[in-house]
Amino acid sequence: EVQLVESGGGLIQPGGSLRLSCAASGLTVSRNYMNWVRQAPGKGLEWVSIVYSGGNTYYADSVKGRFTISRDNSKNAVDLQMNSLRVDDTALYYCVRAPPSTLAGRAFEIWGQGTMVIVSS
Amino acid sequence: IVLTQTPLSLPVTPGEPASISCRSSQSLFNGDDENTYLDWYLQRPGQSPQLLMYALSYRASGVPDRFSGSGSDTDFTLKISRVETEDVGVYYCLQRIDFPYTFGQGTKLEIK
Repeated sequence: EVQLVESGGGLIQPGGSLRLSCAASGLTVSRNYMNWVRQAPGKGLEWVSIVYSGGNTYYADSVKGRFTISRDNSKNAVDLQMNSLRVDDTALYYCVRAPPSTLAGRAFEIWGQGTMVIVSS
Repeated sequence: IVLTQTPLSLPVTPGEPASISCRSSQSLFNGDDENTYLDWYLQRPGQSPQLLMYALSYRASGVPDRFSGSGSDTDFTLKISRVETEDVGVYYCLQRIDFPYTFGQGTKLEIK
């Protein structure tokens, strides 16, 4: 069974840093397209970042230059390093898998349960 | 790319059809592979989102055939032929034709 388990969330002060991790089972992270999607309390979904199987990375404008997505192949995990955190980064962060398919088939197929990040003084 | 969903709230009687619209500020059609990069997701109360439809009209694994997706270029529709109580939740459209990927603001379907 394919499963994604996020960890690393918590309460952090504005300007601080946090590293989220997504441990995968039942799939090999390096062969998939791995995303982070977030959801502020009571709000809609916002795509954050993606790492391609080939290693390319892309980011939402709101996090570009502050967040970095990476893979840890030895742990079969994908991480999100979040720096210079702001109050509006407060959200539930989901790890999401898109399969190694054609471009059309790379939809957000598998979602984790999320890890909560609260940025507050 | 901005996606605008209507309505934002949708009360439906079980057994009746339902329709959600998603309008894009740019065409989501890729002429190179002739696919339209618009997906639909459902987030049930208290749960993570799940994939319903991808690339406009392809149903995800395990999704009942009462769900269908249609549209072209910038106007898209998710249709539920006969709403069931388990369909309650917030529906989101997502565009994947260009970065940054963007979601619609969501449509909350509730049972009358």
